[in-house]
Amino acid sequence: GAGVSQSPRYKVAKRGQDVALRCDPISGHVSLFWYQQALGQGPEFLTYFQNEAQLDKSGLPSDRFFAERPEGSVSTLKIQRTQQEDSAVYLCASSRGTGQAFFGQGTRLTVV
Amino acid sequence: QQPVQSPQAVILREGEDAVINCSSSKALYSVHWYRQKHGEAPVFLMILLKGGEQKGHEKISASFNEKKQQSSLYLTASQLSYSGTYFCGTELAGTASKLTFGTGTRLQVTL
Repeated sequence: GAGVSQSPRYKVAKRGQDVALRCDPISGHVSLFWYQQALGQGPEFLTYFQNEAQLDKSGLPSDRFFAERPEGSVSTLKIQRTQQEDSAVYLCASSRGTGQAFFGQGTRLTVV
Repeated sequence: QQPVQSPQAVILREGEDAVINCSSSKALYSVHWYRQKHGEAPVFLMILLKGGEQKGHEKISASFNEKKQQSSLYLTASQLSYSGTYFCGTELAGTASKLTFGTGTRLQVTL
């Protein structure tokens, strides 16, 4: 596609509900990153894929967070049993491998 | 560890210049600069690799001092469109483009 596409743009979840956030990277980009951005803060790294392999998940805050990229293109970030502190904007970025990363517009998750 | 950006916020009149600094306590492989407007995706400005290079993009340029692990972003003759939050993202060697972002510098350009 022309850019990184994320859906939904906005998600309101009740505490304890599971959510799934989708990222469509730029076609042909092998690297895919998920970041979490709290209000007024810079993005914080969650996890990184090279093709379908998840090479780094050191930033995932708990075992309630799970990400996958089964066919090396679309990725899904799943959060189980959401809590209020999970409220944030979740950004996806993709790149050819090194260098410039292109970000999507993010999914704003609000847990109530 | 998160890189430190300064200043935290700056207000400029159109046409004025600004410098935003980014400092890390770790040896860096590269520094990436992004601008983010409210509710939008971060937009890539430039990348600087270790070697102390300086790059330019229209009226926006940047430098990277490898010895000091510092990078500076220079905005000259600012335009209204430059308003937004600027983030530096630092990359360590061997981390495959994983970026650690600073807390950001809010820039507002006024008439």
